[in-house]
Amino acid sequence: DAGVIQSPRHEVTEMGQEVTLRCKPISGHNSLFWYRQTMMRGLELLIYFNNNVPIDDSGMPEDRFSAKMPNASFSTLKIQPSEPRDSAVYFCASSPKDREDQPQHFGDGTRLSIL
Amino acid sequence: SQQGEEDPQALSIQEGENATMNCSYKTSINNLQWYRQNSGRGLVHLILIRSNEREKHSGRLRVTLDTSKKSSSLLITASRAADTASYFCATERQAGTALIFGKGTTLSVSS
Repeated sequence: DAGVIQSPRHEVTEMGQEVTLRCKPISGHNSLFWYRQTMMRGLELLIYFNNNVPIDDSGMPEDRFSAKMPNASFSTLKIQPSEPRDSAVYFCASSPKDREDQPQHFGDGTRLSIL
Repeated sequence: SQQGEEDPQALSIQEGENATMNCSYKTSINNLQWYRQNSGRGLVHLILIRSNEREKHSGRLRVTLDTSKKSSSLLITASRAADTASYFCATERQAGTALIFGKGTTLSVSS
């Protein structure tokens, strides 16, 4: 079975540019999570969706960040305009919501560097 | 905000030894989970323990949970070089919600 697929794996861009990160969750999973990992703050939730609907976006840093889930098999996280402090590894994870005590399955992440 | 805090931050042991990592958290939970992260990769789920459970085993892994102390421990027995990774505890406050992660323990197992 294919796991959670994220693209790109690495992104290097200049400050001010728009960045779009993509995620394909595991088929049949109806919860999708975006996390950010930095040395200083560790792993933090940005936003999560249940059945394509955003449930908790309290972790989204500011208006420069936006996330969408247009259908059950695809989600994007967009940063516009990007800043050097956005440099981090961004992870997408999915899980089946309709069963209790299910682990989350993580993609390999997108390593983002903003110059 | 971080809920789980792992202890120690780093641990170095020899192959065959046991490794114990501890985790503390702050609020009530539905379950607590342990994940492993190899360098440059995503997190891999290891084991989940429900709030009404006290101990759970999976292969060489043993997890304990003390909800009165809001703490958990992960024991890896007979460690191998392949166990070298970062280990994170994560709490789920309500079923189906996001996980709150600690900052992790970096384990190095030398042969």
